[in-house]
Amino acid sequence: GQQVMQIPQYQHVQEGEDFTTYCNSSTTLSNIQWYKQRPGGHPVFLIQLVKSGEVKKQKRLTFQFGEAKKNSSLHITATQTTDVGTYFCAGGNTPLVFGKGTRLSVIA
Amino acid sequence: NAGVTQTPKFRVLKTGQSMTLLCAQDMNHEYMYWYRQDPGMGLRLIHYSVGEGTTAKGEVPDGYNVSRLKKQNFLLGLESAAPSQTSVYFCASEAQDYEQYFGPGTRLTVT
Repeated sequence: GQQVMQIPQYQHVQEGEDFTTYCNSSTTLSNIQWYKQRPGGHPVFLIQLVKSGEVKKQKRLTFQFGEAKKNSSLHITATQTTDVGTYFCAGGNTPLVFGKGTRLSVIA
Repeated sequence: NAGVTQTPKFRVLKTGQSMTLLCAQDMNHEYMYWYRQDPGMGLRLIHYSVGEGTTAKGEVPDGYNVSRLKKQNFLLGLESAAPSQTSVYFCASEAQDYEQYFGPGTRLTVT
């Protein structure tokens, strides 16, 4: 079945450093979604990308969808302590397939 | 709007006991999902429903049953709990643009 791989599993950064997490699929995806889960919380939808090569920005967060629609990335510029949490990508049609997530910790 | 709610928030069961987790949504969404989350394993789909009266198996359905008698409710049942079912359970409903809305979760411990 469809698999969505996410790397790295963990990332520790100093506050102010940049952070990137990558998502790769074994098959072409119709869309890719990104979610954030704060420690002790539940996943919260961040964004959805549907077009090949699409780039979307939300303040310090930049999301990209690969040209072949098989990979995606989330980049955070100048991390803050409020960025702490686990970031999940999810792709495909119903049901969505989630990656295992990248846990980000930010050292102040 | 309450969004997606889950009952209970916490539960401790003994091996062999049964229980039902309730998920309710007030957004009139057709699609609903049950996931379990374990450390390092991400979100694994247990069962899902694409509408009232329908259910389908996900990635890890064994040991669980579900029912969707009403559009707004999706129930997850454990008939005979096992320690391997200790986990955090999340329910989600899906909007027409495929965005999923998650409930706050149920932390279940089976001893």
